[in-house]
Amino acid sequence: EAQVTQNPRYLITVTGKKLTVTCSQNMNHEYMSWYRQDPGLGLRQIYYSMNVEVTDKGDVPEGYKVSRKEKRNFPLILESPSPNQTSLYFCASSPLAGDSTDTQYFGPGTRLTVL
Amino acid sequence: GENVEQHPSTLSVQEGDSAVIKCTYSDSASNYFPWYKQELGKRPQLIIDIRSNVGEKKDQRIAVTLNKTAKHFSLHITETQPEDSAVYFCAAPRGSNYQLIWGAGTKLIIKP
Repeated sequence: EAQVTQNPRYLITVTGKKLTVTCSQNMNHEYMSWYRQDPGLGLRQIYYSMNVEVTDKGDVPEGYKVSRKEKRNFPLILESPSPNQTSLYFCASSPLAGDSTDTQYFGPGTRLTVL
Repeated sequence: GENVEQHPSTLSVQEGDSAVIKCTYSDSASNYFPWYKQELGKRPQLIIDIRSNVGEKKDQRIAVTLNKTAKHFSLHITETQPEDSAVYFCAAPRGSNYQLIWGAGTKLIIKP
């Protein structure tokens, strides 16, 4: 089954404790992205990647890191989480269609709470 | 900077009536305009998209129209049903087209 998976689905942590949220897709998509979703603000892009070893900042990259060492995986790293990073996080992947992305397939989401 | 404005933030319609959600964008180079539906507690899923070489696209009860001159695009849902209740997001590319800018979302409520 074609899918995007994220782990963990729920996480409660404390300020400053490094964490990683994993994202994996089995559709051989070139493009992968991380979003955070907060009430009233829609989806805001954190980082995206066009292919292996190619990553770019989105609109809200501060406090986050990513890596793309394999095509299928795109982990999100919070080196020193803070309470303002409490949010719902979505990973998404997409094939590239010429000069744009195509349908983005979203993972199930990770609800993160930083105390 | 580039942004996407979406209106209204909440829309309540009687079952069977039509619903229209509108988005405006600022980057005149944008050429791909998707609409996503997010049901409560679920992930966003694409319901329809349009590219700038056409002005309208339909898929059963949903349609998207694009006015590139005015830089706005709209989602139209006809004969609304209870399962249409959800939050709808529009998006438009920024610059390189590999980054999507999202509207803030419209909560659509279908009244029985």
